[in-house]
Formats: sequence, structure tokens, C-alpha cells
Amino acid sequence: ETGVTQSPTHLIKTRGQQVTLRCSSQSGHNTVSWYQQALGQGPQFIFQYYREEENGRGNFPPRFSGLQFPNYSSELNVNALELDDSALYLCASRLDAGGGTDTQYFGPGTRLTVL
Amino acid sequence: AQSVTQLGSHVSVSEGALVLLRCNYSSSVPPYLFWYVQYPNQGLQLLLKYTSAATLVKGINGFEAEFKKSETSFHLTKPSAHMSDAAEYFCAVSDNFGNEKLTFGTGTRLTIIP
Repeated sequence: ETGVTQSPTHLIKTRGQQVTLRCSSQSGHNTVSWYQQALGQGPQFIFQYYREEENGRGNFPPRFSGLQFPNYSSELNVNALELDDSALYLCASRLDAGGGTDTQYFGPGTRLTVL
Repeated sequence: AQSVTQLGSHVSVSEGALVLLRCNYSSSVPPYLFWYVQYPNQGLQLLLKYTSAATLVKGINGFEAEFKKSETSFHLTKPSAHMSDAAEYFCAVSDNFGNEKLTFGTGTRLTIIP
């Protein structure tokens, strides 16, 4: 049990639609990262938020966007869904943005299927 | 850019035998290296991480990994496999700022033979 929760567990959308995935971090965790894990692949870094500001982005198009809220929750929004967006989406939170010895904790993920 | 390569997408070992999962990294700066485990339909659990403090890193569940700069490797080992070790294992690297913006390998599925 990592203290990081994600909702919903599973989601089915059709191509072209928009989706919002949610993550609730441990209290006090100022940093949240989102990853996309396609079937049979390792997770890929989408972006990271630190104290509600984007703090780095991977190789994902602008239709992937995020928000982080003061209550340690966050969202991943994906517009104009494509079939290749079908994946497990993981969020991970940690206390601080860099250095130190604190650990990043992953949530169980949201399985998104795009038809 | 940093990357990791996991050799062997599938590894099978007998219960009680040595587990060895291979990971090689590529990085232009001293890396932070991680091993994660993923059980079916679950998220990722950190097994151990290397942050330059010690080359031999001990993790949870009896796993350990040794950082070898000369070989650019960070292989994961466990002396005696248990049935509960069957899972997917991922090696990952982040930049030396320790911000854990991770680049993952493609994973190794570990099967334990009774």
C-alpha cells in the first residue's frame, strides 16, 4: 500500500474523445509524475508537476496536459484520443522535486482503452 | 540522453535457484538507477535504488544490485528464488539531480519453476 490512489481503475473511450484521469498523492508530497505504460512495454515519462507547476515533460504531444492541486491531487487530461493512447497510466508522487533520499511511490494505475 | 537496456525479456529459474536479471545503462552523467517490480494488474513497487552512496545496494525481499561503472551495469540478483518473486521487473535511470523523471527499460518477466 503506497498511499497513492488513482481513479477510475478502468476506462473505455472512443477515438477523438477527451479523458481525465485522477491521482491522489500522499499528504505532503509536492511532486507528482505521470507515466504511460503500453501493453508489454516499460512506462514512459509524460510529465512531472512540482507545487502546481510543470517541472519537465517527456516526448508527448500537447494534447497530453496536467494539473496539480493544493490538496495533493492531480489530473492527467488527454484530448483527441487516438488508438495508440490505449495504455496503463501511472502516477507517482514524492516529497520533493529533486535530490535527497525520499522515495517516489506509484499508484495502481488507470487502464485506458480507446476504441 | 539516458537509457537502460534489459537483456532477456523472459527469464525462468527454479525455486531456490539464483535470480539474475541484467540491466545496462547509458548516461553521460553519473546516473541514479532503480529496480522496480510489477505484479499483474498492479502499479510499480520500488525494490532498490542506487544514488552513488554505495555500489552494492540492498533492497526489499532479499534483492540486491551492484553498480559497476566499468561495465555500465546494474544487475539485480537474489540468492534463492521464491514462487512469490514471479513478476515483471523494470530497470530505470534518472538524471543526477535525483528528480526521478525515470527512463525505464522494456522489462523482464521472471517465471519461477516449482
